[in-house]
Amino acid sequence: QQQVKQSPQSLIVQKGGISIINCAYENTAFDYFPWYQQFPGKGPALLIAIRPDVSEKKEGRFTISFNKSAKQFSLHIMDSQPGDSATYFCAASKAAGNKLTFGGGTRVLVKP
Amino acid sequence: NAGVMQNPRHLVRRRGQEARLRCSPMKGHSHVYWYRQLPEEGLKFMVYLQKENIIDESGMPKERFSAEFPKEGPSILRIQQVVRGDSAAYFCASSPFNHASANVLTFGAGSRLTVL
Repeated sequence: QQQVKQSPQSLIVQKGGISIINCAYENTAFDYFPWYQQFPGKGPALLIAIRPDVSEKKEGRFTISFNKSAKQFSLHIMDSQPGDSATYFCAASKAAGNKLTFGGGTRVLVKP
Repeated sequence: NAGVMQNPRHLVRRRGQEARLRCSPMKGHSHVYWYRQLPEEGLKFMVYLQKENIIDESGMPKERFSAEFPKEGPSILRIQQVVRGDSAAYFCASSPFNHASANVLTFGAGSRLTVL
């Protein structure tokens, strides 16, 4: 059973455009929702994270929107740059110290 | 702070051999997690350990795979009698032992296992 579903699998956006990646989860016990960025040959790096007591969190050009009732959350990359080209993973976990369950990943390509 | 250190970065084994992957967590981190990433796929949880204790091994295959995190030294993921399907990138992550940040995972660069 896939507990975190991510879409789309891949995304092409022009420089300056907005990249939007969506995730849906099933387990209502999840209470921590991070996004990770991974470049080829590297490990995932934490990008931004949100907890369910807020509906939106913004850090620079990256924004997480969270809809608790729909059990969905999304990542928006504003003013996308070629350097943002990477694979992005959403994840979820329940309770501090517990494991992260990852979505399948979205490969983003930003064209100059 | 050197971050999460994994070695070897690349490992080639023939079918039937053993693979040992090592992970040193970030300084001050006492929780270690192992994940496996198959080509073009997401990360799949394998095991979660604290020093001398396996907390959650629900993602570990029932046979051939084992993990440990001894009192001294790195965490080790051991794969016995490797098969081609074990070819993957194995990532280690660590987190600190405090309630507020315990699920903030920092990943290493991974160990890429190729089974011939």
